[in-house]
Amino acid sequence: EVQLVESGGGSVQPGGSLRLSCAGSGFAFSSSEMNWVRQAPGKGLEWVSYIGSSGTTIYYADSVKGRFTISRDNAKNSLNLQMNSLRAEDTAIYYCVRGAWFGDWGQGTQVTVSS
Amino acid sequence: DIQMTQSPSAMSASVGDRVTITCRASQGISNYLAWFQQKPGKVPKRLIYAASSLQSGVPSRFSGSGSGTEFTLTISSLQPEDFATYYCLQQNSYPRTFGQGTKVEIK
Repeated sequence: EVQLVESGGGSVQPGGSLRLSCAGSGFAFSSSEMNWVRQAPGKGLEWVSYIGSSGTTIYYADSVKGRFTISRDNAKNSLNLQMNSLRAEDTAIYYCVRGAWFGDWGQGTQVTVSS
Repeated sequence: DIQMTQSPSAMSASVGDRVTITCRASQGISNYLAWFQQKPGKVPKRLIYAASSLQSGVPSRFSGSGSGTEFTLTISSLQPEDFATYYCLQQNSYPRTFGQGTKVEIK
């Protein structure tokens, strides 16, 4: 069974940083493309970032480009999202999502940016 | 960037109704489209991928069609557990973009 477990969320002041992680199990993590998707309170889904299986191909949404960095450690079956210069509008649930077709989702981790 | 426009944004329907949700892409995306269902407080669940392929375990009353710029999600006979918000997602190019969602409510 595919499992994706996010961690690292929390409350932070504007301008602060957080590092999200996603632990994958039950599938070939090192062969899987991965994404982060977020959902602000009461809002729709927003794709945030993508990383290819080897980590060499990376894309970001314009809203986070230059502030967020996606990475992965295939030896540890781990996906990461380093979030710097956080803004109030980054407040959301962040989901780790497997695959090019977004077939498997984690339960999400809450990020709150507020003074 | 490719814009995805869903319609309607919300709708009221009764159990047993046939429901159709439309997603239009601002440029052609072939069949690179998926549909998701999200219930309040829950994780989104994929229903359809590649425009018309039904996710394993999803009831056959759900179907997807379309190619290019216009796509539809159809629920042939709405069930109580289908009241939810539905999103389309284009997977033709980056940045990936979701539709704004369609909330299906009980009439």
